Amino acid sequence: EPEVTQTPSHQVTQMGQEVILRCVPISNHLYFYWYRQILGQKVEFLVSFYNNEISEKSEIFDDQFSVERPDGSNFTLKIRSTKLEDSAMYFCASSEARGYTFGSGTRLTVV
Amino acid sequence: AQKVTQAQTEISVVEKEDVTLDCVYETRDTTYYLFWYKQPPSGELVFLIRRNSFDEQNEISGRYSWNFQKSTSSFNFTITASQVVDSAVYFCALSEAQAAGNKLTFGGGTRVLVKP
Repeated sequence: EPEVTQTPSHQVTQMGQEVILRCVPISNHLYFYWYRQILGQKVEFLVSFYNNEISEKSEIFDDQFSVERPDGSNFTLKIRSTKLEDSAMYFCASSEARGYTFGSGTRLTVV
Repeated sequence: AQKVTQAQTEISVVEKEDVTLDCVYETRDTTYYLFWYKQPPSGELVFLIRRNSFDEQNEISGRYSWNFQKSTSSFNFTITASQVVDSAVYFCALSEAQAAGNKLTFGGGTRVLVKP
């Protein structure tokens, strides 16, 4: 069964550093997403991406965040200057008419 | 704006008991999708079911069953004869079909603890 692949599974970074979280969506899916889950809380929508541009973003997705599809397969989330409160699990997802699939997540720890 | 409410934050049962998780949603769209996901301690989100707003038939899959009641905007989930492996956090989610990007709005989750 096709999977959404996320790397790394766990990343530790110092406050103020830039991080890039990587995702390989399912190849025939057209929509891509990033979600965030702070420990013990609900899963929150960050951004959706379609046709090489952002289609919707939440209030959480401020100027420190950016997304990119640098080639035909990868989909990345960049956090420019990490803060302690960015510590969370970040999920990538992709979807098409019939399916909505999440990756296994990247746990980001900002110290 | 869409909203999903899971009123139960934690449910504790003994193995073999049935457990029902409530989910109430709000949306202005007439076309939407409802989902349930399981999040085991390992952290990944495991897809359980997707139901569109025009299909009000209840569904059963093994020990899992879902009750969709459009009149009360509810999409409840029952685990029959619970097992220890069912211990997890369960999330209900909503996607409005007409919204650009098809984002999912999640409820706060219900933690299910099944004791042996």
